[in-house]
Amino acid sequence: NAGVTQTPKFQVLKTGQSMTLQCAQDMNHNSMYWYRQDPGMGLRLIYYSASEGTTDKGEVPNGYNVSRLNKREFSLRLESAAPSQTSVYFCASSPWGGSSYNEQFFGPGTRLTVL
Amino acid sequence: RKEVEQDPGPFNVPEGATVAFNCTYSNSASQSFFWYRQDCRKEPKLLMSVYSSGNEDGRFTAQLNRASQYISLLIRDSKLSDSATYLCVVNTRGAQKLVFGQGTRLTINP
Repeated sequence: NAGVTQTPKFQVLKTGQSMTLQCAQDMNHNSMYWYRQDPGMGLRLIYYSASEGTTDKGEVPNGYNVSRLNKREFSLRLESAAPSQTSVYFCASSPWGGSSYNEQFFGPGTRLTVL
Repeated sequence: RKEVEQDPGPFNVPEGATVAFNCTYSNSASQSFFWYRQDCRKEPKLLMSVYSSGNEDGRFTAQLNRASQYISLLIRDSKLSDSATYLCVVNTRGAQKLVFGQGTRLTINP
């Protein structure tokens, strides 16, 4: 099993450009998440999908959109990139069956720089 | 006030020492608690869950104090490989998301 995979690993954008970060998991997990991590800020939740067909805003959703394409894939789109979106982006998945077992498994991250 | 707060450190301790971190959470409805470990430029990974009665995994001991709303992590006989950032993580009852502290950076020196 590959676990959680993310593409690309690195990306440099110019202000105003758009891009989509891809995430896929092969663990048959119900829930998927997108975080950004900035120095001194910890991990902040951007959007999450509790199950296929649903998405919800997290702590910092402005400037982003998401699509839960199917149970495996959850993409994050930046429509018009801004320098404030320079960050490391992590995708995660969790089995979340309604029980208390909700460990999240993370992908390797995407390092995004917006000039 | 942040929902989960940690001392960011850095903590620099000699190999073989015992080190402890604390973390406080503000939401009394918090139900599940975890410690994650994150190596430099890597993704976070679960280190251990924290149970009400406290739990131990080898050199690592986690404690939960619901009355004071804090959790702790104790590392005994620290190794160079323990150098990492340790993230305190909390889940609120009914919420399908985790809240992460900003992390405590630990460096073990030879």
